[in-house]
Amino acid sequence: ETGVTQTPRHLVMGMTNKKSLKCEQHLGHNAMYWYKQSAKKPLELMFVYNFKEQTENNSVPSRFSPECPNSSHLFLHLHTLQPEDSALYLCASSQEGAGGVYGYTFGSGTRLTVV
Amino acid sequence: AQSVTQPDIHITVSEGASLELRCNYSYGATPYLFWYVQSPGQGLQLLLKYFSGDTLVQGIKGFEAEFKRSQSSFNLRKPSVHWSDAAEYFCAVALSSGGSYIPTFGRGTSLIVHP
Repeated sequence: ETGVTQTPRHLVMGMTNKKSLKCEQHLGHNAMYWYKQSAKKPLELMFVYNFKEQTENNSVPSRFSPECPNSSHLFLHLHTLQPEDSALYLCASSQEGAGGVYGYTFGSGTRLTVV
Repeated sequence: AQSVTQPDIHITVSEGASLELRCNYSYGATPYLFWYVQSPGQGLQLLLKYFSGDTLVQGIKGFEAEFKRSQSSFNLRKPSVHWSDAAEYFCAVALSSGGSYIPTFGRGTSLIVHP
């Protein structure tokens, strides 16, 4: 049990679909993150939320839209994706708002396939 | 820009043998240092972290890591590998940037354990 729950675990979507990924943590953490993990590439930071406010957007295409309604929940809304967006999307949380000083707790990820 | 290098893409060891995974970073100051492990189909799990003080840090699952400032290295070690240690291992470093400590991850080292 990681303390960070991601749903769904697997998602197959067409390029014209709209879907959302969900992340939930009940660790009392103040910061939440979306990462993209593709084969043969380093982990890519996508978005950072500190105390529900977005503080980082790492030049992510607008077809990815994050939402953080409270400090326990994080969503990633997807629309008109491309096949190269197929990857493992990881959510993480951390204890303090300044990033990973104490390390992250990761969810198990959503394996996304765009067809 | 901060960078993290894990020179070995794959490491193969026999069960019961010792293990050392290499990690080098390039910064002027001493960063916060982490090792994470990722089992197939899972998210990343924090193994250990170094902030300051004793340069040999102990982590979970019998792992330890040694910080060597002169070599800008933070190598992960285990005296006797178990088959369940087969996984992907990621080194990460974090430096303060405007009060934020977003870590940079290495590309990972895949550990294969032979019986």
